[in-house]
Amino acid sequence: DARVTQTPRHKVTEMGQEVTMRCQPILGHNTVFWYRQTMMQGLELLAYFRNRAPLDDSGMPKDRFSAEMPDATLATLKIQPSEPRDSAVYFCASGLVREGLWTGELFFGEGSRLTVL
Amino acid sequence: QKEVEQDPGPLSVPEGAIVSLNCTYSNSAFQYFMWYRQYSRKGPELLMYTYSSGNKEDGRFTAQVDKSSKYISLFIRDSQPSDSATYLCAMSLSGYSSASKIIFGSGTRLSIRP
Repeated sequence: DARVTQTPRHKVTEMGQEVTMRCQPILGHNTVFWYRQTMMQGLELLAYFRNRAPLDDSGMPKDRFSAEMPDATLATLKIQPSEPRDSAVYFCASGLVREGLWTGELFFGEGSRLTVL
Repeated sequence: QKEVEQDPGPLSVPEGAIVSLNCTYSNSAFQYFMWYRQYSRKGPELLMYTYSSGNKEDGRFTAQVDKSSKYISLFIRDSQPSDSATYLCAMSLSGYSSASKIIFGSGTRLSIRP
């Protein structure tokens, strides 16, 4: 049963600490998205990758957030230093996008719930 | 102003009712329109997808896109308690190019009363 795997599922940390979230996309998918979800803002796009190359990270606070895909099976989202306003659920989603075939279907992980005290 | 606007609800209806969920958007270049469903403490999952204007039906669900009004709708017929979830609309400019980022509405929380 193919699924997107995210770790950690829950993280509580103190302000100023570094946080790294990891995502294993579905094997064979060529697109990876990172979203952040809060009650106030809903689902916000942070960054996304196609074939491991970053296409858009304009939704990310550049001074503290960074996103990478070291290889096709791993995407990371790092926050350094973390702040209380970063508290949210962070979702990774993967999909397969091909010329002429686009269903808009993203497969989401279960999310990483981050609390920054 | 957000690119995609969606009434957050909550919306509560009795079982069997017809539910109408809506989104408006500002970017006329959006071509791909989706509805995702999200159960509590889970990731969203794709419910329906539509390209350009028109209607699409899948069982009890119907998606409508009116590009002239920049307005999309999801109708649920014969609603069931299992339909209780948050429904998010989503849109994309293009399928393949670098403009294919998917923008989500904030979601409408729906509750179906037995």
